Amino acid sequence: KQEVTQIPAALSVPEGENLVLNCSFTDSAIYNLQWFRQDPGKGLTSLLLIQSSQREQTSGRLNASLDKSSGRSTLYIAASQPGDSATYLCAIYSGGGADGLTFGKGTHLIIQP
Amino acid sequence: NAGVTQTPKFQVLKTGQSMTLQCAQDMNHNSMYWYRQDPGMGLRLIYYSASEGTTDKGEVPNGYNVSRLNKREFSLRLESAAPSQTSVYFCASSEIVFSEAFFGQGTRLTVV
Repeated sequence: KQEVTQIPAALSVPEGENLVLNCSFTDSAIYNLQWFRQDPGKGLTSLLLIQSSQREQTSGRLNASLDKSSGRSTLYIAASQPGDSATYLCAIYSGGGADGLTFGKGTHLIIQP
Repeated sequence: NAGVTQTPKFQVLKTGQSMTLQCAQDMNHNSMYWYRQDPGMGLRLIYYSASEGTTDKGEVPNGYNVSRLNKREFSLRLESAAPSQTSVYFCASSEIVFSEAFFGQGTRLTVV
């Protein structure tokens, strides 16, 4: 069974810093990996989707990488802003019996003004 | 476009009551999903519908039933609510089962 781990569980950094959020998974046989953002009391907003054949994806100040062989993905946020404060979730689609995403528990990010 | 719309946003039920959570998407997606989110547990898949006319169990299906009413709508029913079903429920959709998923705003359900 696929397991997804996100480290750290919480992170607080000053505004302007570049930062990296980590996601690891136990089974390298994946179709894709998706990063989401969740604001308190809200739904999930899709940030980036990386297909299994891709190494990275970029959107604005966000860059996500994927290394299937080592079972890792990173989300890089450049020049962080207070508006980036949220919980970031990593999710993997592995296929198999239950066709849905397997989620990590998230990294709660606070950007200090 | 509204994307994925869930109703209601909040609900309080007494133990043993029944209710149906509604979900509709306007993106012409084939696949739809129901997840629950609990503190310390993350999001877990309850049921999914890969395409209109099909439904399958996910990781935590006990105590729930689903109906794929048409391509747009996918409902989740609690027949006899239990306190363990207190959670935030999210509906999601994707073009096909392994494409980008889009989520609704959630239904916060409390069973007392």
